[in-house]
Amino acid sequence: SQTIHQWPATLVQPVGSPLSLECTVEGTSNPNLYWYRQAAGRGLQLLFYSVGIGQISSEVPQNLSASRPQDRQFILSSKKLLLSDSGFYLCAWRKGTSGSRNNEQFFGPGTRLTVL
Amino acid sequence: GQQLNQSPQSMFIQEGEDVSMNCTSSSIFNTWLWYKQDPGEGPVLLIALYKAGELTSNGRLTAQFGITRKDSFLNISASIPSDVGIYFCAGQPGSNYKLTFGKGTLLTVNP
Repeated sequence: SQTIHQWPATLVQPVGSPLSLECTVEGTSNPNLYWYRQAAGRGLQLLFYSVGIGQISSEVPQNLSASRPQDRQFILSSKKLLLSDSGFYLCAWRKGTSGSRNNEQFFGPGTRLTVL
Repeated sequence: GQQLNQSPQSMFIQEGEDVSMNCTSSSIFNTWLWYKQDPGEGPVLLIALYKAGELTSNGRLTAQFGITRKDSFLNISASIPSDVGIYFCAGQPGSNYKLTFGKGTLLTVNP
């Protein structure tokens, strides 16, 4: 069966510090990977998605970046955090194969980031 | 881009009551998904719908893919305290890789 991991679970960082959040998926190959941010207002905002190693699509221009150095690893980074970067960051995966019933995304446990 | 209108935004019900929530879109979707999120955790997929008119159940949960392909509803029967959480609908409009999410329905169940 497939599992998705995120770490750290919680993080408190000062403004201006760097950020690295990691997401890994087990039990599947060539997944599509996604980073979402969920603010206190509950909505899920898609930040980045990747359909393969080294392939990153950015949805929202901001001071965050994403990388996919390995097939099942997705990293969210920032060089300098802003107060507005606080939130709940969720990683998700989807089967990479096309097909009429492959649109389901499965979420990780999330990382709670607080920028002070 | 596509937008999903999810309603109601919140619900306060008594244990044992039935619940209904829905999502509507101005565009056609090929897939409708329903998720539940407990506090501090990631959303968990409840039901996936892939065909117009499809009606699918998962225990006390029932969801339907609207005939027009622009809406979906989720019903919860005989609610219990552990049903508390935020319920999200999500739709995929075509063959791209992205989902469009509703803003969620916050469900509170009073024992």
